[in-house]
Amino acid sequence: DAKTTQPTSMDCAEGRAANLPCNHSTISGNEYVYWYRQIHSQGPQYIIHGLKNNETNEMASLIITEDRKSSTLILPHATLRDTAVYYCIVRATYSGGGADGLTFGKGTHLIIQP
Amino acid sequence: DAGITQSPRHKVTETGTPVTLRCHQTENHRYMYWYRQDPGHGLRLIHYSYGVKDTDKGEVSDGYSVSRSKTEDFLLTLESATSSQTSVYFCAISEVRADTGELFFGEGSRLTVL
Repeated sequence: DAKTTQPTSMDCAEGRAANLPCNHSTISGNEYVYWYRQIHSQGPQYIIHGLKNNETNEMASLIITEDRKSSTLILPHATLRDTAVYYCIVRATYSGGGADGLTFGKGTHLIIQP
Repeated sequence: DAGITQSPRHKVTETGTPVTLRCHQTENHRYMYWYRQDPGHGLRLIHYSYGVKDTDKGEVSDGYSVSRSKTEDFLLTLESATSSQTSVYFCAISEVRADTGELFFGEGSRLTVL
Protein backbone atom coordinates (compact mmCIF):
# COMPACT_ATOMS: atom_id res chain seq x y z
CA ASP A 1 0.00 0.00 0.00
CA ALA A 2 1.16 3.51 -0.76
CA LYS A 3 2.49 5.58 2.11
CA THR A 4 0.82 8.81 3.21
CA THR A 5 2.23 11.97 4.76
CA GLN A 6 0.12 14.22 6.96
CA PRO A 7 0.92 17.17 9.21
CA THR A 8 1.19 16.18 12.85
CA SER A 9 -1.28 18.79 14.05
CA MET A 10 -3.48 21.64 12.87
CA ASP A 11 -5.69 24.26 14.44
CA CYS A 12 -8.93 25.63 13.04
CA ALA A 13 -11.42 28.16 14.36
CA GLU A 14 -14.90 26.95 15.15
CA GLY A 15 -17.30 27.63 12.29
CA ARG A 16 -14.57 27.84 9.69
CA ALA A 17 -13.70 25.21 7.11
CA ALA A 18 -11.01 22.78 8.19
CA ASN A 19 -8.77 21.67 5.33
CA LEU A 20 -6.63 18.63 6.10
CA PRO A 21 -3.95 17.79 3.54
CA CYS A 22 -2.50 14.38 2.72
CA ASN A 23 0.33 13.50 0.37
CA HIS A 24 0.38 10.08 -1.29
CA SER A 25 2.83 10.53 -4.15
CA THR A 26 3.35 6.77 -4.67
CA ILE A 27 -0.33 5.93 -5.02
CA SER A 28 -1.21 3.27 -7.59
CA GLY A 29 -4.03 3.38 -10.06
CA ASN A 30 -6.24 0.95 -8.15
CA GLU A 31 -5.73 2.49 -4.71
CA TYR A 32 -8.45 4.41 -2.98
CA VAL A 33 -7.95 7.26 -0.53
CA TYR A 34 -9.78 6.74 2.77
CA TRP A 35 -10.26 9.14 5.64
CA TYR A 36 -11.04 8.10 9.18
CA ARG A 37 -11.07 10.05 12.39
CA GLN A 38 -10.68 9.09 16.01
CA ILE A 39 -12.17 11.15 18.76
CA HIS A 40 -10.38 10.75 22.07
CA SER A 41 -10.90 7.32 23.66
CA GLN A 42 -13.27 6.14 20.94
CA GLY A 43 -12.83 3.74 18.05
CA PRO A 44 -11.96 5.21 14.65
CA GLN A 45 -14.85 6.36 12.52
CA TYR A 46 -15.09 6.22 8.74
CA ILE A 47 -15.52 9.61 7.07
CA ILE A 48 -15.21 9.28 3.31
CA HIS A 49 -13.26 7.63 0.54
CA GLY A 50 -12.59 8.18 -3.16
CA LEU A 51 -10.63 6.98 -6.16
CA LYS A 52 -10.15 9.96 -8.45
CA ASN A 53 -13.29 12.05 -8.46
CA ASN A 54 -14.08 14.48 -5.70
CA GLU A 55 -16.54 13.10 -3.18
CA THR A 56 -18.96 14.68 -0.73
CA ASN A 57 -21.15 13.26 1.98
CA GLU A 58 -22.91 14.59 5.04
CA MET A 59 -19.69 14.74 7.02
CA ALA A 60 -17.06 16.07 4.63
CA SER A 61 -15.73 16.60 1.15
CA LEU A 62 -12.72 14.88 -0.36
CA ILE A 63 -10.73 16.68 -3.03
CA ILE A 64 -8.21 14.55 -4.94
CA THR A 65 -5.73 16.24 -7.26
CA GLU A 66 -5.78 15.29 -10.90
CA ASP A 67 -2.48 13.40 -10.62
CA ARG A 68 -3.82 11.71 -7.44
CA LYS A 69 -0.61 12.42 -5.57
CA SER A 70 -2.38 14.39 -2.87
CA SER A 71 -5.80 15.00 -1.41
CA THR A 72 -7.58 17.32 0.99
CA LEU A 73 -10.33 16.50 3.44
CA ILE A 74 -12.64 19.44 4.02
CA LEU A 75 -14.90 19.80 7.03
CA PRO A 76 -17.03 22.73 5.86
CA HIS A 77 -18.12 24.17 9.20
CA ALA A 78 -15.92 22.80 11.95
CA THR A 79 -17.35 22.42 15.44
CA LEU A 80 -15.65 21.62 18.73
CA ARG A 81 -16.81 18.02 18.34
CA ASP A 82 -14.63 17.72 15.24
CA THR A 83 -11.51 17.84 17.41
CA ALA A 84 -9.92 14.46 16.69
CA VAL A 85 -7.05 12.65 15.02
CA TYR A 86 -7.68 12.35 11.27
CA TYR A 87 -6.14 9.48 9.35
CA CYS A 88 -5.51 9.46 5.61
CA ILE A 89 -5.09 5.91 4.30
CA VAL A 90 -4.39 4.61 0.81
CA ARG A 91 -5.53 1.12 0.03
CA ALA A 92 -6.34 -0.98 -3.01
CA THR A 93 -9.90 -2.11 -3.45
CA TYR A 94 -10.59 -5.46 -1.84
CA SER A 95 -12.50 -7.01 -4.69
CA GLY A 96 -11.83 -10.67 -5.29
CA GLY A 97 -9.45 -11.20 -2.46
CA GLY A 98 -9.01 -11.32 1.26
CA ALA A 99 -9.20 -8.13 3.23
CA ASP A 100 -6.29 -7.52 5.56
CA GLY A 101 -7.50 -4.36 7.12
CA LEU A 102 -6.24 -0.84 6.75
CA THR A 103 -2.85 0.49 7.81
CA PHE A 104 -3.24 3.52 10.04
CA GLY A 105 -0.41 6.01 10.32
CA LYS A 106 -0.17 8.66 13.02
CA GLY A 107 -2.64 11.04 11.42
CA THR A 108 -3.25 14.74 11.98
CA HIS A 109 -4.44 15.99 15.33
CA LEU A 110 -7.03 18.61 14.44
CA ILE A 111 -7.89 21.01 17.23
CA ILE A 112 -10.93 23.20 16.79
CA GLN A 113 -10.56 26.42 18.72
CA PRO A 114 -13.63 28.18 20.15
CA ASP B 1 -24.00 2.60 14.47
CA ALA B 2 -22.63 -0.80 13.54
CA GLY B 3 -23.49 -3.49 16.08
CA ILE B 4 -20.11 -4.27 17.59
CA THR B 5 -19.62 -5.09 21.23
CA GLN B 6 -16.27 -5.60 22.89
CA SER B 7 -15.85 -7.25 26.26
CA PRO B 8 -14.50 -6.63 28.73
CA ARG B 9 -14.14 -2.88 28.24
CA HIS B 10 -11.55 -2.64 30.99
CA LYS B 11 -9.34 -5.29 32.50
CA VAL B 12 -6.38 -5.31 34.87
CA THR B 13 -4.38 -8.51 35.10
CA GLU B 14 -1.01 -9.76 36.19
CA THR B 15 1.95 -10.83 34.10
CA GLY B 16 1.75 -14.46 33.06
CA THR B 17 -2.01 -14.84 33.24
CA PRO B 18 -4.13 -15.71 30.22
CA VAL B 19 -6.54 -13.09 28.90
CA THR B 20 -9.31 -13.36 26.32
CA LEU B 21 -11.00 -10.38 24.71
CA ARG B 22 -14.23 -10.89 22.89
CA CYS B 23 -15.64 -9.07 19.89
CA HIS B 24 -19.27 -9.69 19.06
CA GLN B 25 -21.06 -8.35 15.98
CA THR B 26 -24.69 -8.38 14.92
CA GLU B 27 -24.06 -7.24 11.33
CA ASN B 28 -23.21 -10.63 9.83
CA HIS B 29 -20.09 -9.11 8.29
CA ARG B 30 -17.55 -11.52 6.91
CA TYR B 31 -14.35 -9.78 7.97
CA MET B 32 -13.23 -9.07 11.52
CA TYR B 33 -10.02 -7.51 12.83
CA TRP B 34 -8.15 -6.92 16.04
CA TYR B 35 -5.99 -3.80 16.37
CA ARG B 36 -3.98 -2.45 19.25
CA GLN B 37 -3.29 1.21 19.87
CA ASP B 38 -0.35 2.57 21.79
CA PRO B 39 1.01 6.10 22.17
CA GLY B 40 3.54 6.84 19.44
CA HIS B 41 2.53 3.81 17.36
CA GLY B 42 -0.99 4.52 16.27
CA LEU B 43 -3.23 1.60 15.35
CA ARG B 44 -1.53 -1.68 14.47
CA LEU B 45 -3.21 -4.79 13.11
CA ILE B 46 -2.79 -7.93 15.25
CA HIS B 47 -4.88 -10.57 13.50
CA TYR B 48 -7.81 -10.66 11.16
CA SER B 49 -10.43 -13.14 10.02
CA TYR B 50 -11.98 -13.55 6.60
CA GLY B 51 -14.55 -16.12 7.61
CA VAL B 52 -15.42 -18.77 10.17
CA LYS B 53 -12.25 -20.63 11.10
CA ASP B 54 -10.24 -18.53 8.63
CA THR B 55 -7.73 -16.21 10.26
CA ASP B 56 -4.40 -14.65 9.42
CA LYS B 57 -1.66 -12.66 11.09
CA GLY B 58 -1.27 -8.94 11.01
CA GLU B 59 1.66 -6.67 11.70
CA VAL B 60 2.07 -7.43 15.43
CA SER B 61 0.77 -10.96 15.98
CA ASP B 62 3.50 -12.34 18.26
CA GLY B 63 2.08 -13.29 21.66
CA TYR B 64 -1.52 -13.32 20.42
CA SER B 65 -3.85 -15.98 19.06
CA VAL B 66 -7.37 -15.68 17.70
CA SER B 67 -10.33 -17.88 17.05
CA ARG B 68 -13.52 -17.51 15.11
CA SER B 69 -15.94 -20.41 15.51
CA LYS B 70 -19.02 -18.35 14.63
CA THR B 71 -19.56 -15.46 12.23
CA GLU B 72 -20.50 -13.14 15.05
CA ASP B 73 -17.62 -13.75 17.46
CA PHE B 74 -13.89 -13.09 17.14
CA LEU B 75 -11.78 -13.86 20.20
CA LEU B 76 -8.32 -12.51 20.92
CA THR B 77 -6.26 -14.49 23.42
CA LEU B 78 -3.08 -13.57 25.21
CA GLU B 79 -1.82 -16.94 26.42
CA SER B 80 0.55 -15.41 28.97
CA ALA B 81 0.13 -11.67 29.28
CA THR B 82 3.18 -9.41 29.46
CA SER B 83 3.48 -5.75 30.41
CA SER B 84 4.25 -4.89 26.77
CA GLN B 85 0.71 -5.99 25.94
CA THR B 86 -0.76 -3.21 28.03
CA SER B 87 -2.75 -1.35 25.40
CA VAL B 88 -6.14 -0.40 24.07
CA TYR B 89 -7.53 -3.09 21.80
CA PHE B 90 -10.01 -2.32 19.06
CA CYS B 91 -12.13 -4.75 17.13
CA ALA B 92 -13.33 -3.84 13.64
CA ILE B 93 -15.60 -5.43 11.07
CA SER B 94 -16.16 -5.01 7.36
CA GLU B 95 -18.34 -6.40 4.63
CA VAL B 96 -16.13 -6.45 1.59
CA ARG B 97 -17.53 -5.13 -1.61
CA ALA B 98 -15.72 -4.16 -4.77
CA ASP B 99 -15.91 -0.44 -4.15
CA THR B 100 -15.55 0.01 -0.43
CA GLY B 101 -13.15 -0.82 2.33
CA GLU B 102 -15.07 0.77 5.16
CA LEU B 103 -14.26 -0.59 8.59
CA PHE B 104 -16.55 -0.23 11.59
CA PHE B 105 -14.82 -0.14 14.94
CA GLY B 106 -15.87 -1.09 18.42
CA GLU B 107 -15.37 1.13 21.45
CA GLY B 108 -12.18 -0.53 22.57
CA SER B 109 -10.97 -2.69 25.45
CA ARG B 110 -8.37 -1.21 27.76
CA LEU B 111 -6.01 -3.87 29.09
CA THR B 112 -3.47 -3.23 31.82
CA VAL B 113 -0.90 -5.92 32.60
CA LEU B 114 0.89 -5.39 35.91
